[in-house]
Amino acid sequence: DVKVTQSSRYLVKRTGEKVFLECVQDMDHENMFWYRQDPGLGLRLIYFSYDVKMKEKGDIPEGYSVSREKKERFSLILESASTNQTSMYLCASSFNSGRVGQETQYFGPGTRLLVL
Amino acid sequence: AQKVTQAQTEISVVEKEDVTLDCVYETRDTTYYLFWYKQPPSGELVFLIRRNSFDEQNEISGRYSWNFQKSTSSFNFTITASQVVDSAVYFCALTNTNAGKSTFGDGTTLTVKP
Repeated sequence: DVKVTQSSRYLVKRTGEKVFLECVQDMDHENMFWYRQDPGLGLRLIYFSYDVKMKEKGDIPEGYSVSREKKERFSLILESASTNQTSMYLCASSFNSGRVGQETQYFGPGTRLLVL
Repeated sequence: AQKVTQAQTEISVVEKEDVTLDCVYETRDTTYYLFWYKQPPSGELVFLIRRNSFDEQNEISGRYSWNFQKSTSSFNFTITASQVVDSAVYFCALTNTNAGKSTFGDGTTLTVKP
């Protein structure tokens, strides 16, 4: 079974703090993704990565950065947390099948971040 | 730009009723993939089905069935004889074949009451 784990289920931070959200997958997947989920807005893609040290901006990258130093780990960084970054953050991974777009994404349980 | 619309924000049914979740998409690509995911209360999205744009065959898997109609850009999901365990948020998603970016709908929250 594919397993995607996220470092915390719940996190409370203060405005201005630097926040690290960690995601680890154990299936040797090439692709990894970070989404945020907000009521009424569905899932929105923040960043994704197709390989180690590679990253691509998603639809809402502002205020975030990412790091992928190892294949299994994809970190989301909030350089200076703000209250509008309070959200549920979901990490996902997928296998690179060679047919772009057809890969099924496997999701972690999510991290619910509250920025005060 | 691509877009996925799930017009039904919330649906509530009584157990054993059939229920259809609607999904309408927009894309300029001729090749793309459509997905349905289920998000139970635990939070983890679970893959249900994938369809490519060239395969309009409907699919049935147990109590679940999917109706893909390219002419109306719709990919609807029907649960037959719903059960309480079907209660979840269901997401429809579209992935293009250029960069592999996925666009998700806003989700439909299904509540099945006993």
